[in-house]
Amino acid sequence: QVQLQESGPGLVKPSQTLSLTCTVSGGSIDSGDHYWHWIRQPPGKGLEWIGYISHRGTTFYNPSLKSRVSISGDTSNKEFSLNLNSVTAADTALYFCVRGDYGRPFDLWGQGRLVTVSS
Amino acid sequence: SYVVTQPPSVSVAPGQTARITCGGDAIGSRSVHWYQQKPGQAPLLVIYYDNARPSGVPEGFSGSNSGNTATLTIGRVEAGDEADYYCQVWDPISDHPVFGGGTKLTVL
Repeated sequence: QVQLQESGPGLVKPSQTLSLTCTVSGGSIDSGDHYWHWIRQPPGKGLEWIGYISHRGTTFYNPSLKSRVSISGDTSNKEFSLNLNSVTAADTALYFCVRGDYGRPFDLWGQGRLVTVSS
Repeated sequence: SYVVTQPPSVSVAPGQTARITCGGDAIGSRSVHWYQQKPGQAPLLVIYYDNARPSGVPEGFSGSNSGNTATLTIGRVEAGDEADYYCQVWDPISDHPVFGGGTKLTVL
């Protein structure tokens, strides 16, 4: 059974880079036709899609975040990662790693990692 | 990019039917997915491709999609159905997923 688990710092200073990793247990990011996404949720607010990396390694980002975001994959360690630079308090959120094939629903979610941007 | 709109809140008495809408331009021509999120938990897919129900989701959950409105229907609502519900579509123009703002379902 495939499971996702986010990890990384829970506190990031303003203007610095937020970095999170998602470990895929029971599966691999380069198998099947899966796409691996990051989605975030500010406290008390709704869901915002950040971007994805495909099983082939192609990436695509939300236009509203594109200038600050990068997603990369590490197939040997069965991980994919999120980097978001120049963070502000508005980037404080619960960050989820999620599986969802292209054009299809999100069928597997990590438990989420709360990241707070504060000095 | 494509915008989908949900009512912020819906309230219903136990045993009644709850209907949560998701509005968008010609949304009936797109596939809509619905997620349930309870406090402190990750979202859970409850309806996909407008009206398909994943295994393990109670039969009371159903969906429809036509014209400019998609609807999630929860029959015989229980206290355990109280949660936030999000609709989601894939915008073929901007080529990325889009979420509605979410609807808080309150069971009175």
